[in-house]
Formats: sequence, structure tokens, C-alpha cells
Amino acid sequence: TQLLEQSPQFLSIQEGENLTVYCNSSSVFSSLQWYRQEPGEGPVLLVTVVTGGEVKKLKRLTFQFGDARKDSSLHITAAQPGDTGLYLCAGAGGAGSYQLTFGKGTKLSVIP
Amino acid sequence: ETGVTQTPRHLVMGMTNKKSLKCEQHLGHNAMYWYKQSAKKPLELMFVYNFKEQTENNSVPSRFSPECPNSSHLFLHLHTLQPEDSALYLCASSQQNYGYTFGSGTRLTVV
Repeated sequence: TQLLEQSPQFLSIQEGENLTVYCNSSSVFSSLQWYRQEPGEGPVLLVTVVTGGEVKKLKRLTFQFGDARKDSSLHITAAQPGDTGLYLCAGAGGAGSYQLTFGKGTKLSVIP
Repeated sequence: ETGVTQTPRHLVMGMTNKKSLKCEQHLGHNAMYWYKQSAKKPLELMFVYNFKEQTENNSVPSRFSPECPNSSHLFLHLHTLQPEDSALYLCASSQQNYGYTFGSGTRLTVV
């Protein structure tokens, strides 16, 4: 069974601060996805990383896929209240696999 | 509007009721999924349909019965549920596993 551990589980920070959340596994994934979920809504895809060592930037969000494709991080610069939500990472299996393995998520609160 | 529409948004049902959740996507995706999201647990995959054929059933109790009449529609039929089945039920679709598009979910409460 593939498991994804996310840390921290909860994070409360002031507006303008930087933060990093982590997603770790002992399993290798062919790709890894990050989602953000707001209360009462479904998760929304932020990014997919595919290549070991890959770094992707989405405005103030920076995503990194570990060299061994077992872990990933999400760094947010100058957090804003609109960044508040549950951040989920999800790992995809091999070619032809339709299943994603989700972590429990990091619940982020950005205080104005 | 995400491209995946779920109805109803909220549902309260008794343990002896029969109800159905509906999911619809017009994104041209070939795979559709039902997930259960409970507090303090990861998203739990329930069922996977690929080109209308069920390919995964992750040991889900028979009181949950999926139906996929075509590649755009997915149903989850519910009967004789238990209070512990109360959760957010999410539908998603994808083209292979290149990123899921989720619906807004149905918040189910079993009383």
C-alpha cells in the first residue's frame, strides 16, 4: 500500500509570512499532484510534477518534486488570506494507472 | 463551476431511506471516480470507472452501489446507510491520471 505523509497537519501564520509544507512517502510515484480545497468545495488541482528534481512556480507558490520521486514540497511566499485552505498532495502510480493516493492534507490558516 | 457537477449539494437521510447521488462531466474525460472524505482521514477511493467499465471497488460495503450509464454520468445509489457513512462524497473525472477535476461534493448526513 502506498502512503503519503503530509506535514504539518495544521499551520496558522500571519499574512506576509513564508511557509513550506511537505509530502513524503517511501514509495516512488510516476507523478505527484497538489490540490487546494476550500470549505464546502472539492479539491482544485494546482500543479502536477513529473520529473525527479522538477521545480514549478505558480505566482507565489513553488512546488518541488524530490530527485527520487518519493517526496514533494510546496513553498508559499508572502502568504495571503486567500491562500487559506486544505492543501492535499496526491501520488500517481505507474503508466496506465488511474488511481491517486492522497495524503491527509495540511490545513493552512493565514491571519490578516 | 469546475466542469464536474454534483447534485444534491446537501442530503440528510434516515437509515432506512434510499437515495442517489448524481455526478455529471462534459470535459471529455474517460475516467470517473467516487471518493469519500471524512474528518481526519485521507480521501478514500470508493469506485473507479474507465470508459464506463468499473475497474476498482475498494472493499466498499454493498449499501453503496455505483452506476455509470455513459462516460459523462455517474451515480451512487445509497440504501440502509449507517451514521458513520456521514461524510463529504466527492466525484471526480480525469483523462488517465493527468490531474483530477473534482465536483463540489455532496455533504451527506445519516440520521
